[in-house]
Order: sequence, then C-alpha cells, then structure tokens
Amino acid sequence: KAGVTQTPRYLIKTRGQQVTLSCSPISGHRSVSWYQQTPGQGLQFLFEYFSETQRNKGNFPGRFSGRQFSNSRSEMNVSTLELGDSALYLCASSLGTKNTEAFFGQGTRLTVV
Amino acid sequence: AQSVTQPDIHITVSEGASLELRCNYSYGATPYLFWYVQSPGQGLQLLLKYFSGDTLVQGIKGFEAEFKRSQSSFNLRKPSVHWSDAAEYFCAPRVADKLIFGTGTRLQVFP
Repeated sequence: KAGVTQTPRYLIKTRGQQVTLSCSPISGHRSVSWYQQTPGQGLQFLFEYFSETQRNKGNFPGRFSGRQFSNSRSEMNVSTLELGDSALYLCASSLGTKNTEAFFGQGTRLTVV
Repeated sequence: AQSVTQPDIHITVSEGASLELRCNYSYGATPYLFWYVQSPGQGLQLLLKYFSGDTLVQGIKGFEAEFKRSQSSFNLRKPSVHWSDAAEYFCAPRVADKLIFGTGTRLQVFP
C-alpha cells in the first residue's frame, strides 16, 4: 500500500511569489491535514480537509489556503510569500473517522529567498 | 490553558540503556494520544497510539507508552535503545480533530 506522497520535495521561491504544494493521501483515506514545521514555532496545524470540505483551520493568515479534490488529493497554496514562510510543510492522511491515526508524508521543504 | 509539554528538549543515552521520554497534557477530557518520531529531513512516523482501554500500549520498533490519567501523562519507553533510535520524538494529543504537537525531544545515542 503506497504511503502519503508529497510533491515537490524541495522548493525555492522568491519573496512575493506564490507556491502550490501537493499531497496524495493513502488510498481510501478521505481526510488530509497540513502542518507547518519551523525551528522557532515547531509543528503547527494549518487546516484539514475531509471529502472536499475544509473541516478545521489553524491560526494562519489568509495567504495560506487549500483545497481537496474528489479523489482526496489535496493542494495547499501560499500567496505573497514571506521569508518567514520558509518551513517544512507536512501533509497527513487518515480515514477521517474518530478512532483513526494520521500518517505523514515526507514533507515539502520550502525556502523563501 | 490547553497544552502539551515535553519537558526534556535533549536526552543522551548509551546504546543498550533504557529510555523514558516524558509527555504531559492539559485538556479537559482525555484526548486521543500519539507518539511520532522524525529523523532529520524526514516526515513523521507513527510509533504508537492510545484511544481507550488498556493503558499500556505497544508500538513499533520496541517502543511502548503508558497512559496515566491521574498524572495526565503519556510517557514513551524503550527497554534497550539502539543507535538507529537517534531522532526527534513528538508527543501529540488529538484535540478537536487536529494534532497538537509538543516541542519534541531530541534523542542522541552514544555507542
């Protein structure tokens, strides 16, 4: 069974640009969550999608957005990039029901210069 | 305030020694509890989980954790550490359908 796949693995962008990251969950999983990991703030929850609907949202500015497609694949978008957006972005997939665990992808390392 | 605490930022042990990583949480009800491990530059790997029932749970790689309701703790243990266990360990309660991560404990293993 394939795991969670995130693309690309590495990305370098310039301040002010926008970026789109992709996540393909484990087959059969309907929930996709996104987390940002930085040395200063640690692991922080961005948002969660379940069956194409945003079910939960963290405390991030509106520049951070996401969506989920009918095949459960998800994308997150960051507009008007700032230096502080440099981070490892992790995607997690789960069945989305109560007693289930989340499985993480390898992450996308975003560097903003 | 709701929070999760991993008091030990960095732990160093000798290979073969026992290990205990501490985790305390502060939430109204008992949340679902997870431990994840992260190697440098990698994603998070699930070690074990607690939903309900038996308070001692077994995970992968020989790890176990004990849930203690009275202490609001979910400490991770391993009887004999291997050099390949060197990594960062995160405790994460799930609250309102999102994982709340602790600050992590970096484990260093000496031969």
